[in-house]
Amino acid sequence: GESVGLHLPTLSVQEGDNSIINCAYSNSASDYFIWYKQESGKGPQFIIDIRSNMDKRQGQRVTVLLNKTVKHLSLQIAATQPGDSAVYFCAETLSYNTDKLIFGTGTRLQVFP
Amino acid sequence: DAGVTQSPTHLIKTRGQQVTLRCSPISGHKSVSWYQQVLGQGPQFIFQYYEKEERGRGNFPDRFSARQFPNYSSELNVNALLLGDSALYLCASSLGWQVREQYFGPGTRLTVT
Repeated sequence: GESVGLHLPTLSVQEGDNSIINCAYSNSASDYFIWYKQESGKGPQFIIDIRSNMDKRQGQRVTVLLNKTVKHLSLQIAATQPGDSAVYFCAETLSYNTDKLIFGTGTRLQVFP
Repeated sequence: DAGVTQSPTHLIKTRGQQVTLRCSPISGHKSVSWYQQVLGQGPQFIFQYYEKEERGRGNFPDRFSARQFPNYSSELNVNALLLGDSALYLCASSLGWQVREQYFGPGTRLTVT
């Protein structure tokens, strides 16, 4: 399949462990954030989002934490599975109702059995 | 249901040539956005078209142009190709123009030699 990024930061975890992927965003005025998962040969897939008036949001096996003070976003994946292996991107926007996403560099997650 | 489709999957062009990439949105979606993803980086916003009109444009030179057809499909054109245009070109469609509803296609891998 197509490789999304050959020189991305890599996080290696054992199957069943929890994963934490971090992202530093650029604009203190950003109002809305999305985490995407990109598997080899595929486009980015929406995982979870959060607005700036929240500091935590939970989905199925995933949690996003937002720290506006230090412009930091994290994605926590519980009980990581081999199918979670992918490149993960955070994206920011200035408004919940905007038409433009600004993506971060990405982190490669590798899950070992 | 069919997702966002893009064609071709891969193509190779020579410097100075022109290229046209195609995108078919999810049925019922009226907005198409284009992103460029250079290897090892996150996607960068190029254009958004909504209801056949350009709604947003990223920081790309005039060599990049796009259009949206009455059936909401879209073409991205790049003239006078440079080596640096080599990238994965992603198309995303959404019902409205808000990015939070975007679904990405698998991309077209363009290699410029």
